[in-house]
Amino acid sequence: ETGVTQTPRHLVMGMTNKKSLKCEQHLGHNAMYWYKQSAKKPLELMFVYSLEERVENNSVPSRFSPECPNSSHLFLHLHTLQPEDSALYLCASSPWGDWAEAFFGQGTRLTVV
Amino acid sequence: AQSVSQHNHHVILSEAASLELGCNYSYGGTVNLFWYVQYPGQHLQLLLKYFSGDPLVKGIKGFEAEFIKSKFSFNLRKPSVQWSDTAEYFCAVNALTSGTYKYIFGTGTRLKVLA
Repeated sequence: ETGVTQTPRHLVMGMTNKKSLKCEQHLGHNAMYWYKQSAKKPLELMFVYSLEERVENNSVPSRFSPECPNSSHLFLHLHTLQPEDSALYLCASSPWGDWAEAFFGQGTRLTVV
Repeated sequence: AQSVSQHNHHVILSEAASLELGCNYSYGGTVNLFWYVQYPGQHLQLLLKYFSGDPLVKGIKGFEAEFIKSKFSFNLRKPSVQWSDTAEYFCAVNALTSGTYKYIFGTGTRLKVLA
């Protein structure tokens, strides 16, 4: 248990559906991240939030929409996804700084059909 | 742009064999370097990290890594692996880029240790 909780653990959705992934941390961290983990590819940084403000959007398509209502919660809203978006989506949190260790959740395994 | 390269995608070793996993990064400024491990079915967790000082850092479970600045490398080593080391290993760089701290990961190396 890392202190970073992601729900749901598994999600199957159609290309016309709208769904949301949730991430929660109570570690007192002020930075939160979304990563995409696909087979044979590096972990791709999608979004970075610092103090609830989005500081990085790593050229992610607009069908992925993040939301950070407070420092403990991070959402990833999904709509009109494509099959190639199927992957493991990981949330992480850390104190803000280059020395900071990131703590990861167990991920949401997303399948788009 | 920052990048991290891990050259070995799959490694198979017998127990007691020595391990070295390569990691090279591309970034011109000061970097902080990490190795994370992901055991089957578990979350990513920190194995070791380098910020400054002694370039040879020791982590958990007998792992160590050496930072060689001139080679932009941060290779992971273990003298004698165990079956329980079977996992995926990720090298990562965290550095300040355009005012944002970014954690950039390599593709990962899948290690299988045969009993």
